[in-house]
Amino acid sequence: ETGVTQSPTHLIKTRGQQVTLRCSSQSGHNTVSWYQQALGQGPQFIFQYYREEENGRGNFPPRFSGLQFPNYSSELNVNALELDDSALYLCASSLNMAGPYEQYFGPGTRLTVT
Amino acid sequence: AQSVTQPDIHITVSEGASLELRCNYSYGATPYLFWYVQSPGQGLQLLLKYFSGDTLVQGIKGFEAEFKRSQSSFNLRKPSVHWSDAAEYFCAVRVTPNFGNEKLTFGTGTRLTIIP
Repeated sequence: ETGVTQSPTHLIKTRGQQVTLRCSSQSGHNTVSWYQQALGQGPQFIFQYYREEENGRGNFPPRFSGLQFPNYSSELNVNALELDDSALYLCASSLNMAGPYEQYFGPGTRLTVT
Repeated sequence: AQSVTQPDIHITVSEGASLELRCNYSYGATPYLFWYVQSPGQGLQLLLKYFSGDTLVQGIKGFEAEFKRSQSSFNLRKPSVHWSDAAEYFCAVRVTPNFGNEKLTFGTGTRLTIIP
């Protein structure tokens, strides 16, 4: 069974640029969630995708957007990057959206905005 | 909205000593409860979870946690820590079935240091 994978591992971007982060969910999981973890903080929920539809969103501006594909992999896109977007971005997948299912996390993508 | 408090930012424990990490949550009903561990530069690994039933749950790596409804707490314990337990520990809650709001809400974490 393959776990959650994310790419790239590290990324350096300049303020104002756009970035795409990728996530492959664990086999059999149909729900993907994205979290932002700033240095020294707990992860903050960005949004969740269930069967290719956004289902729940945290307190993040519209320049944070996402996609989920038919194979349940997912992308996180961030436009007009700001310095405060520098963080570890974590993807998590779960067997289903509701019910007693835990979320399994990938290793994260470290984004640095200069 | 639900919230999670981990009152201890940093804890130092001697190897072989017992450990208790505190977690309190604020939510009107009983949420799903989780403890995750994060090693430096790594993602989050699930240690244990509580959904319902027995309030004392066992997890991986010898950890356990006890849900106390009256105190809105879900403290993590280990009887004897190992040097490899040094990491950041996060408590998290998820509201029980609420379609459209299945997010995890995390505490700010407790950094555990182990001394020889």
